[in-house]
Amino acid sequence: AQSVTQLDSHVSVSEGTPVLLRCNYSSSYSPSLFWYVQHPNKGLQLLLKYTSAATLVKGINGFEAEFKKSETSFHLTKPSAHMSDAAEYFCVVSEGSNYQLIWGAGTKLIIKP
Amino acid sequence: NAGVMQNPRHLVRRRGQEARLRCSPMKGHSHVYWYRQLPEEGLKFMVYLQKENIIDESGMPKERFSAEFPKEGPSILRIQQVVRGDSAAYFCASSIGNGNLGNYGYTFGSGTRLTVV
Repeated sequence: AQSVTQLDSHVSVSEGTPVLLRCNYSSSYSPSLFWYVQHPNKGLQLLLKYTSAATLVKGINGFEAEFKKSETSFHLTKPSAHMSDAAEYFCVVSEGSNYQLIWGAGTKLIIKP
Repeated sequence: NAGVMQNPRHLVRRRGQEARLRCSPMKGHSHVYWYRQLPEEGLKFMVYLQKENIIDESGMPKERFSAEFPKEGPSILRIQQVVRGDSAAYFCASSIGNGNLGNYGYTFGSGTRLTVV
């Protein structure tokens, strides 16, 4: 069965410093992995997705994530945080052609001035 | 392209009333998915519909919840006799294909936030 664990419910960083949001997954088959961002009272925006191509995936707004099969991880990073990055981030997994998305509980990213 | 449109954005209902949530998929998309986000949680799959057909409703509560996607018009998620535990954000997504996310991916709407008082 698929599952997603986001290891931190809240992450706080200073503006201009690196961001690391951690995600571990469990999947029986080759998974597709996604990161979505949700700004307060807004919809969901796809940041990036991994679908068995390059293991280092670049997304929008300077974010990237690395698929590490041996560690079953898909951590999200950004070299330098911006105030506009403050939001909730969700790690999501899907197996094969399965249309059901399995969501992590989310990580709230707080940016300190 | 207007994207996936959900309305209303916010809905307040008293316990026992009915809630109707609407979702208009992106132009050209014929597959619709509903997800529910309870407070402090990730989204949970509810139902997958194509035009006039329910493909998978395994995530729908057995009672009071129903969904449809008629030939014409938006998809509707209906909750009868709402209770406080139904308070959540309900998101709709659409896709052009049969949900193979590697090829098609999802586009989500902005959600409807239901509050039951």
